[in-house]
Parts: sequence; structure tokens; C-alpha cells
Amino acid sequence: TQLLEQSPQFLSIQEGENLTVYCNSSSVFSSLQWYRQEPGEGPVLLVTVVTGGEVKKLKRLTFQFGDARKDSSLHITAAQPGDTGLYLCAGVSYENAGKSTFGDGTTLTVKP
Amino acid sequence: ETGVTQTPRHLVMGMTNKKSLKCEQHLGHNAMYWYKQSAKKPLELMFVYSLEERVENNSVPSRFSPECPNSSHLFLHLHTLQPEDSALYLCASSQGPTDTQYFGPGTRLTVL
Repeated sequence: TQLLEQSPQFLSIQEGENLTVYCNSSSVFSSLQWYRQEPGEGPVLLVTVVTGGEVKKLKRLTFQFGDARKDSSLHITAAQPGDTGLYLCAGVSYENAGKSTFGDGTTLTVKP
Repeated sequence: ETGVTQTPRHLVMGMTNKKSLKCEQHLGHNAMYWYKQSAKKPLELMFVYSLEERVENNSVPSRFSPECPNSSHLFLHLHTLQPEDSALYLCASSQGPTDTQYFGPGTRLTVL
């Protein structure tokens, strides 16, 4: 069974700091998604990346898909309290019959 | 109307009750999913429907019974649940079973 490993599992930082969250696997993904989930709510899609080496930006968030399409990173610049939440990555792999695999998530807390 | 809706948002039930969770998607998607999310645990895929046919059942106890009457609606019928079934139940949809999934807000279920 393929795994998507996210690191760190927990991250607590001060407002204004930068951070990077990682999503790694030994499997190749045809696409990879990042979601943010707030307590008691469903995950909200942030981005989908499909091309190796692809970089996408969403305001202060920068998403990168690894060249080999096995890993991804999410970088947040000048974090704000509103960025607090659970960040989930999910990958679709032909090796897993096209099913989505979710990582365990990174819980981010940004303190004012 | 927002993409994926779920009702009720909160549900408290006794172990002998019968209740149903409802999910509706307004995105024209052909695949729908039920997930269970317990505290401090990763997302657990329960059921997948594609074109109204169940294509995946991840060893879910029979006290959970899904129903997909059409491509826009998905139900999860609950019967004689256990306290350990208390969790956030998330519905998701995607264009096809290998495409990006969009989540509803979830139903917070508490079994007494």
C-alpha cells in the first residue's frame, strides 16, 4: 500500500514567520492535491498539481510538485492566524488503480 | 448553491437509533465518496460510488449502509452504531473516480 507521508505532523509558529510543509512518497502520482481543513469543517481544495516540477502560487502560498512527481511542498510566506488549520495532501496514482491516497496531515497553528 | 452540501451538520444518536446522513453535489460529478475522520486519525475512505454503482467498500461494518439513488445524491444509513463510531463524516465528489475530490462540510456524529 502506498503511503503519503507529511511532515511535520504539528507546527506552531508566530504570525509573520515563513514555513514549509512536505508531502513525500515512494510512488509516482499523476496528480497531487493540497487541502486545508478547519475544525469541524470539510477539507477545502487549495490546488492541484499535475506536471513534474510545477510551481503554483496562491497569494502567500507556494506549491511545488517534485520533478519525479513523488513529492510536493507547500510554502507559506508571512503566515497569518487565518492560515491555522490542518493541511492535507492527496495523490492520485496509476499504481493504485487511480485511487486517491491522503496523507495524515500537518496541523498548523499561527499565533498572533 | 455551494458545491457539496451535507445534512445534518450535527447529529447525536443513541446506539439503538436509526438515522441517515445526506450528501448532495451540485457540480455535475459522477463519483461520490464517504469518509470517516476521527480525532487524531487520518481520513478513512468508507465507500466509493461511480455512476451510481458502488465500486469500493473498505471493510466497513454493516451497521453503515450507503445508498446512491442518482449521481447527485448520496446517503449513509446508520443503524445500531457504537460510541467508537463518533466522528466527522465527510462526503466528497469528483468528476470521475480518479479526479480531484471536492468535500462537503461534514456531519459531526456523536453516538451515546
